[in-house]
Amino acid sequence: KNEVEQSPQNLTAQEGEFITINCSYSVGISALHWLQQHPGGGIVSLFMLSSGKKKHGRLIATINIQEKHSSLHITASHPRDSAVYICAVRGSQGNLIFGKGTKLSVKP
Amino acid sequence: NAGVMQNPRHLVRRRGQEARLRCSPMKGHSHVYWYRQLPEEGLKFMVYLQKENIIDESGMPKERFSAEFPKEGPSILRIQQVVRGDSAAYFCASSLTTGNNEQFFGPGTRLTVL
Repeated sequence: KNEVEQSPQNLTAQEGEFITINCSYSVGISALHWLQQHPGGGIVSLFMLSSGKKKHGRLIATINIQEKHSSLHITASHPRDSAVYICAVRGSQGNLIFGKGTKLSVKP
Repeated sequence: NAGVMQNPRHLVRRRGQEARLRCSPMKGHSHVYWYRQLPEEGLKFMVYLQKENIIDESGMPKERFSAEFPKEGPSILRIQQVVRGDSAAYFCASSLTTGNNEQFFGPGTRLTVL
């Protein structure tokens, strides 16, 4: 079993839909990251959180430390949101342990 | 303030050659992480360095791979005698300190071994 599991692996949505991507982890962490990898390959950090909830524009990230679970929500999805979304947890040395990613495709 | 820079962006090598990948962290950042993304796979940690020190190289193959982060200049990931299985995207990230500091990613170097 991977230390970081994401679901779903692939997600297709219609423009405007509310999207949820889930992440479960099995190791102790100091922080959890949500990253976005564009079709061209570049990686952008969306959120870093260790408790509660953070919001940035149409993106919301939540984490439940007791349940070792995090969710990334996208409200009013748009085709430009199409990308791979990656959950990563920070280990004790600071290095990141990554999930395999969720490939999101938003259709107009 | 420029972001994390990596060069080259694309690198083609023949089997047996050496590959050198460079990473310049964000200004003021003294912590560098190298990650590898094999085709159709997730990102995997390779090595974590501070200036002149390797802090954690537990993710790096024992043979042919080495990394450094000198006092002056970029961090270098060096792969000797490359093989086809080394073909991947190599990403560098930097942070201000450890702890809960955010990591900022470079654009990656895509290595293709012929």
